[in-house]
Amino acid sequence: GNSVTQMEGPVTLSEEAFLTINCTYTATGYPSLFWYVQYPGEGLQLLLKATKADDKGSNKGFEATYRKETTSFHLEKGSVQVSDSAVYFCALSVAGANNLFFGTGTRLTVIP
Amino acid sequence: EAGVAQSPRYKIIEKRQSVAFWCNPISGHATLYWYQQILGQGPKLLIQFQNNGVVDDSQLPKDRFSAERLKGVDSTLKIQPAKLEDSAVYLCASSLWGTDTYEQYFGPGTRLTVT
Repeated sequence: GNSVTQMEGPVTLSEEAFLTINCTYTATGYPSLFWYVQYPGEGLQLLLKATKADDKGSNKGFEATYRKETTSFHLEKGSVQVSDSAVYFCALSVAGANNLFFGTGTRLTVIP
Repeated sequence: EAGVAQSPRYKIIEKRQSVAFWCNPISGHATLYWYQQILGQGPKLLIQFQNNGVVDDSQLPKDRFSAERLKGVDSTLKIQPAKLEDSAVYLCASSLWGTDTYEQYFGPGTRLTVT
C-alpha cells in the first residue's frame, strides 16, 4: 500500500541550528513527494515538492531530495529561525489516485 | 486569488448530535477533498469529489458521515450522529484537474469537539 513514515517529534532547536526531519515512504506506484507545513492557527501549506527520482525540491531555505534507492525524502534546512516553528508533514501522491497520504507530522520548535 | 474557505472554524457538540461543515474551494478547482485530522496524526482522506461526482469515499464511515458537492462547487460534510471519536479537525482541500492535480490547497479547517 501507500504510506509515509516520518521522524517523530517534537524537535526543539536553537536558532541557526541545522534541521533534518526524516521521511521514508512505501508506494504502489511511482509517487510524487511533498512536504507540507502547518503554522500555528493556520491551514496546511505546500512547502516543497519533487515529482521524480533525484529531483530536489526547495523553498524558503528548506530542501528535500527524492531518493528512490532509499525511498526517502528527508527535509533539511541549514539555519532555522524562530518563524520556522510549525508542524511539518511529509506526504505522497500516486498517479491515478491524486489524494495525499500523510505522515504523522513532526512538531518543530525553534528557540531564540 | 481567494483561498479555500471553510466554516465554521470551531464547533462543540454533544455525542449523538448532528453537525455540518461547509467548504468553498478555489475558483476553477474541479477536485475537492475532505480530510480528517485527529490530534497527533496526519490528515486522512475521507472523500474526494471530481466536479460533483464522488471519486473515492472508501474511508468515509457511511453509517454516520455523508458529503455532497452541489453544482460542482461548494461542498458540505455532515456527521449524524456524532461520536466522541469524531473529535478532530476537518480539512477541505481543492486542486485543479490536470497535470498538477497532486498540488492541493487546504482551507483553515473546522475543529470539532464532541463531548
